[in-house]
Amino acid sequence: GAVVSQHPSWVICKSGTSVKIECRSLDFQATTMFWYRQFPKQSLMLMATSNEGSKATYEQGVEKDKFLINHASLTLSTLTVTSAHPEDSSFYICSAATSGSSYEQYFGPGTRLTVT
Amino acid sequence: GQNIDQPTEMTATEGAIVQINCTYQTSGFNGLFWYQQHAGEAPTFLSYNVLDGLEEKGRFSSFLSRSKGYSYLLLKELQMKDSASYLCAVRDHDNAGKSTFGDGTTLTVKP
Repeated sequence: GAVVSQHPSWVICKSGTSVKIECRSLDFQATTMFWYRQFPKQSLMLMATSNEGSKATYEQGVEKDKFLINHASLTLSTLTVTSAHPEDSSFYICSAATSGSSYEQYFGPGTRLTVT
Repeated sequence: GQNIDQPTEMTATEGAIVQINCTYQTSGFNGLFWYQQHAGEAPTFLSYNVLDGLEEKGRFSSFLSRSKGYSYLLLKELQMKDSASYLCAVRDHDNAGKSTFGDGTTLTVKP
């Protein structure tokens, strides 16, 4: 149980275009989803916390107008990278957590974004 | 805020034991996680400590001392597949489940 999927697993796009990444919890309801970015040989950097039905909470330094997050249901959150630039090329990982006493985040397999 | 320190790299021999340390200074604390991450893959959960002491799970054990702001991950009977990055993460004191990750320790297991 506790499977999180991401789609696509990798994507190449041209500079200036937008890319949408989906994060789905397949067998549980995720009240909270987290979006991370990871550059090569670096740790996970939290970008935003997404709660179902409400606006995402962005970490300091993350542009909310550039990284649009929607958490429309308890099983789906999307991250849209708008007007992508080569410096946005990174590994984007989502994780999902349930409410209550659950302490574990379940990570998706990640999406490799390359902007040319 | 959270400040988490762990060694950048470690090397060990197959069959040996290795201890990866993590120290943290945080404004709030609601548990410490260890994750394993292979290159190009997402992290996988290894352990969670919220109370002081040792938690053992097979070949992996994790220890926490809240008063010292210190944790370690102990890997026994090392296997080649244990070569990976090991991430220490501290959960914030709020209930959103938000965690701050250390930079990770890259462990290389040699034959």
